[in-house]
Amino acid sequence: AQSVTQLGSHVSVSEGALVLLRCNYSSSVPPYLFWYVQYPNQGLQLLLKYTSAATLVKGINGFEAEFKKSETSFHLTKPSAHMSDAAEYFCAVLYGNEKLTFGTGTRLTIIP
Amino acid sequence: KAGVTQTPRYLIKTRGQQVTLSCSPISGHRSVSWYQQTPGQGLQFLFEYFSETQRNKGNFPGRFSGRQFSNSRSEMNVSTLELGDSALYLCASSLTGQGRVGEQYFGPGTRLTVT
Repeated sequence: AQSVTQLGSHVSVSEGALVLLRCNYSSSVPPYLFWYVQYPNQGLQLLLKYTSAATLVKGINGFEAEFKKSETSFHLTKPSAHMSDAAEYFCAVLYGNEKLTFGTGTRLTIIP
Repeated sequence: KAGVTQTPRYLIKTRGQQVTLSCSPISGHRSVSWYQQTPGQGLQFLFEYFSETQRNKGNFPGRFSGRQFSNSRSEMNVSTLELGDSALYLCASSLTGQGRVGEQYFGPGTRLTVT
């Protein structure tokens, strides 16, 4: 069965520092992979997606993620954190049947 | 273009009651999915409807049901509410087809509290 694991339920970084949120997937065939962001009291918003084209995917708000098949990973990064990046981030996997499976989420806190 | 709308935004019900939540997808989107979000279980897939037919279903009891109308609007119903049903219920719509796989657009959710 497909699944995703997000390492670290809480991550804190200083404003201006690198953001790195980890996601590993479990699938025998490379799936489609996604990162979503959820701000307080809101629904989820798609940040970026990997669909077997370029392995380095650029998304909105300066985020990007790199698909590494050998490591079964799809980590999310941003070179310089901004206060507005504080939110919960979800990695998700989709394979075949259009049913998204989400990770448990990582709450990102930005330290001024 | 208007986003996904969900009504009501907040709801308080008593154990044993039933509840109906509504979701209006983005115009032109024919797929609607429902998710339950709780602190303990995270985001869990309930079901997906496409052109009025249930296309996928998660592992939830039969008390959870849904339907989709010809205009793509969707409702989900929970009967005989339990305390554990307290959650944020999220609806997402999507355009299916090449290049759009997995691009789901979420509504703000309905916060259901069962007392």
